[in-house]
Amino acid sequence: SQQGEEDPQALSIQEGENATMNCSYKTSINNLQWYRQNSGRGLVHLILIRSNEREKHSGRLRVTLDTSKKSSSLLITASRAADTASYFCATGGGGADGLTFGKGTHLIIQP
Amino acid sequence: SQTIHQWPATLVQPVGSPLSLECTVEGTSNPNLYWYRQAAGRGLQLLFYSVGIGQISSEVPQNLSASRPQDRQFILSSKKLLLSDSGFYLCAWSSSGAYEQYFGPGTRLTVT
Repeated sequence: SQQGEEDPQALSIQEGENATMNCSYKTSINNLQWYRQNSGRGLVHLILIRSNEREKHSGRLRVTLDTSKKSSSLLITASRAADTASYFCATGGGGADGLTFGKGTHLIIQP
Repeated sequence: SQTIHQWPATLVQPVGSPLSLECTVEGTSNPNLYWYRQAAGRGLQLLFYSVGIGQISSEVPQNLSASRPQDRQFILSSKKLLLSDSGFYLCAWSSSGAYEQYFGPGTRLTVT
């Protein structure tokens, strides 16, 4: 069963604008991760936020986590055409556990 | 640095034919290894994971199987493919105890 659900399913913005994607999950977590997938490619790990963290930054990425609402958001600032991709949140992992992914948000950056 | 390879990149197979997809990892020892499947426009579904040679755990019942004959080699197999086996197959690895996973480039399988 899917743990995370991303929202929106698709997002189209102009280059230079900020993009915000949301993720909701169902059960308690140790951490939440965000991955990017370019069309037809494998996934690339972007950022991990632990359950005791509320916000984390990495370059143009900002992730927030609200464990009381079981939700997370990924903000990409000053978007570029190269940011066009699908973005997935994932929970689980560690030890031998696989990750549980949402269905993803497809982000299109218009030049 | 660590790298992960998958082959073939694409595969078209008839229903009922066998399957063998291979994944190898370089630059690390004793990784956890994973096979995922991604249906068109969907998220990833975990199929198998392995914490060591010969140790395979299955997440979903299916006509697929996995093997780990060497520390950094993970193989996904089927004796007889079904149409529903079509999809994008991704191999991933993680360090023991780490949460982050690192994915290979994937194999696009089309069963006709």
